Amino acid sequence: DAKTTQPNSMESNEEEPVHLPCNHSTISGTDYIHWYRQLPSQGPEYVIHGLTSNVNNRMASLAIAEDRKSSTLILHRATLRDAAVYYCIPVNYNQGGKLIFGQGTELSVKP
Amino acid sequence: EPEVTQTPSHQVTQMGQEVILRCVPISNHLYFYWYRQILGQKVEFLVSFYNNEISEKSEIFDDQFSVERPDGSNFTLKIRSTKLEDSAMYFCASRLLALDEQFFGPGTRLTVL
Repeated sequence: DAKTTQPNSMESNEEEPVHLPCNHSTISGTDYIHWYRQLPSQGPEYVIHGLTSNVNNRMASLAIAEDRKSSTLILHRATLRDAAVYYCIPVNYNQGGKLIFGQGTELSVKP
Repeated sequence: EPEVTQTPSHQVTQMGQEVILRCVPISNHLYFYWYRQILGQKVEFLVSFYNNEISEKSEIFDDQFSVERPDGSNFTLKIRSTKLEDSAMYFCASRLLALDEQFFGPGTRLTVL
């Protein structure tokens, strides 16, 4: 399983963009990069995923480095509801697609 | 919007008792998972299930654990003889297709006394 490195915590102001980085230098060529988040006292929630190209959805954008050894989750306008622990997870679908959670980045959002 | 549901939300049991945690995945999904999260720790993978059989399991998922999809809608996790260290939040998840994301349920908090 590929190892990931994320900052333990980050802080943002409400309505400002947030860039959450992740290093995954041991990622294999077929691993998809997934991002999930866990709000307090809730189950994990899918945010976004991609393989090589940058991806956008209604929640966020995912920027993947050309060498795929790192990626950045971008929340365009942070809200108080975005305060959560964010996990970057390489997923190998050839191995059943299980999610291996690391420690993640705890994002706090200040009003 | 379809969602994964889990029952009960909280289960209290005595050490050595059997418990069954229930999940109803999203109806047309094909891949099913159980995870657990001990209080204050990270979420841990337990088992994945596809085509009516276990596709992968972690070291945590020993002989005391079993999973079943008894009908077309439920997905259960059974712990045969609970231990104190089984106290955790248990999350069920499902996904539709091979390259899709997983959808998680709200979890069942298991407390073993």
